[in-house]
Amino acid sequence: KNEVEQSPQNLTAQEGEFITINCSYSVGISALHWLQQHPGGGIVSLFMLSSGKKKHGRLIATINIQEKHSSLHITASHPRDSAVYICAVRGGAGSYQLTFGKGTKLSVIP
Amino acid sequence: DAGVIQSPRHEVTEMGQEVTLRCKPISGHNSLFWYRQTMMRGLELLIYFNNNVPIDDSGMPEDRFSAKMPNASFSTLKIQPSEPRDSAVYFCASSLRASGRAADTQYFGPGTRLTVL
Repeated sequence: KNEVEQSPQNLTAQEGEFITINCSYSVGISALHWLQQHPGGGIVSLFMLSSGKKKHGRLIATINIQEKHSSLHITASHPRDSAVYICAVRGGAGSYQLTFGKGTKLSVIP
Repeated sequence: DAGVIQSPRHEVTEMGQEVTLRCKPISGHNSLFWYRQTMMRGLELLIYFNNNVPIDDSGMPEDRFSAKMPNASFSTLKIQPSEPRDSAVYFCASSLRASGRAADTQYFGPGTRLTVL
């Protein structure tokens, strides 16, 4: 079973700061997902990646397959970025099951 | 598209009662997942359907839990009898699983917050 660890568990930042959230996993994967859970509870998929880097607006996700590590970066953070960010990994080819990290709670203060 | 629809959004019930949660996946999606989220354990997969067939129900806690998918546009998760430890947020998610693809994005519903007193 893949062990997924996220750090930090909680993060408070001032508006405008550059933010990094980390995710490490123990077993090789076919894909890694970053999810955002809003204070109201809804979950949105931000990225799905299996190599390299992806960018969407102010969000950047990177993955290093050899080191079994991924990072989610937020540039010019804003209070509306306040949410829980969850890393989830999918096993080998053909696997459907996601293993989730416990999440990182981000609070961006104006 | 309306996205994944779940009902009810909130459910408060007493221990021993039957609870039925409902999910309508995104039209055209062939995979459906039921998840449970608690503070202690985070998100956990309960059951996975592909083309309306249960593929993996190993995450279903015990016989009190059952799930059905009678057609491509509807699924239910039933708890009978409910217990206080079942209190959690239950999410339904759907995806389009195409052969040959390494992975696919799951789209989550808004969740059902269940409280069992």
